[in-house]
Amino acid sequence: QKEVEQNSGPLSVPEGAIASLNCTYSDRGSQSFFWYRQYSGKSPELIMFIYSNGDKEDGRFTAQLNKASQYVSLLIRDSQPSDSATYLCAVNLFAGGGADGLTFGKGTHLIIQP
Amino acid sequence: GAVVSQHPSRVICKSGTSVKIECRSLDFQATTMFWYRQFPKQSLMLMATSNEGSKATYEQGVEKDKFLINHASLTLSTLTVTSAHPEDSSFYICSAAGGLNTGELFFGEGSRLTVL
Repeated sequence: QKEVEQNSGPLSVPEGAIASLNCTYSDRGSQSFFWYRQYSGKSPELIMFIYSNGDKEDGRFTAQLNKASQYVSLLIRDSQPSDSATYLCAVNLFAGGGADGLTFGKGTHLIIQP
Repeated sequence: GAVVSQHPSRVICKSGTSVKIECRSLDFQATTMFWYRQFPKQSLMLMATSNEGSKATYEQGVEKDKFLINHASLTLSTLTVTSAHPEDSSFYICSAAGGLNTGELFFGEGSRLTVL
């Protein structure tokens, strides 16, 4: 049984601060890791993906992966009100993808306070 | 990125009727598409994997006779909710793996089904 765990929140962060979102997964064989953002009533949109241990930065976003601890996180710097959404952590067993659907966590509801 | 289109975005139907949802990959060929369902304040739950030219693979607990999936071409998968009941009311989202084979999924816009 593949499981992806996230704190549902809400996580409230003041505008301009760093938002830190965390995720743990149960299947040690997982190869690829994704963070999706989902606004209410909309489908998810990809923020970042990461395959290797360490940090990966893209603009204001940094994904961090620690396979030994089965832990992946997303940092959002200089948080903006438009970042307020539910952030879904997703895991795939296959590095190449395609053969297996993603397993999603329940998502963390992030609120950026102006 | 790759574009996946889903139709209809919203549908309201009477209990006992059937509803078809279409999912199209617009600028790439998708041999595999995935159907998810999301209830309010819940995560996306994978319902089934749709394979072009073969039978879909259903997740445990998903009734294959109730949720009919057809993947007749490399750009189209359909989900038919048969004899819909109010408990089937949900947000249904299809997705397909991107052509770069990165493991990333591209999602359709989702279909909000309300069964009266």
